Amino acid sequence: EPEVTQTPSHQVTQMGQEVILRCVPISNHLYFYWYRQILGQKVEFLVSFYNNEISEKSEIFDDQFSVERPDGSNFTLKIRSTKLEDSAMYFCASSEQAVGGTDTQYFGPGTRLTVL
Amino acid sequence: AQSVTQLGSHVSVSEGALVLLRCNYSSSVPPYLFWYVQYPNQGLQLLLKYTSAATLVKGINGFEAEFKKSETSFHLTKPSAHMSDAAEYFCAVSASNTGNQFYFGTGTSLTVIP
Repeated sequence: EPEVTQTPSHQVTQMGQEVILRCVPISNHLYFYWYRQILGQKVEFLVSFYNNEISEKSEIFDDQFSVERPDGSNFTLKIRSTKLEDSAMYFCASSEQAVGGTDTQYFGPGTRLTVL
Repeated sequence: AQSVTQLGSHVSVSEGALVLLRCNYSSSVPPYLFWYVQYPNQGLQLLLKYTSAATLVKGINGFEAEFKKSETSFHLTKPSAHMSDAAEYFCAVSASNTGNQFYFGTGTSLTVIP
């Protein structure tokens, strides 16, 4: 069964460093998402991406964050200058469509980011 | 705006006992509701979803959930717990006026006692 994959599974970085989290969505899906979960808190929406541009973003997704689909398979989340509060589990998801919120989003296993 | 509350961050049941995981939602428009399960080191896997059709929704692995508008609830149940059901369970809500965002609860960790 097709699945969303994410690399690395765990990333440790120093505060102020740039990190890139990578995702390979399901191949025939058109919509891509990033969510994050700070330990003990809710899974929070960051951004959605369609047709090579951001379609929605949350307040969390500030200028420190960017997303890109550099080729036909990868979908990346970049954090330019990491802060301690960026430590979280980051989930990538994809969906075939995005019909007014009803379409199933398929999630990857997550990347645990630790900022020291 | 939409939100979800999952009561009980940890639930323990005996093998063979009823599983009940609670989810209450808040939505200003008709909601779409989802239950996901996460096994260790794996992604969130869809168990079932409600998108305004039948209020009793059956999912994978013997789970089901009932949408109750009057109670703003979408509780997840399974008649008989199995050891393999031990995992983290997430309830999520979306709606037609919130684009593609899913709003998740904090999750419930289910332990099954042999």
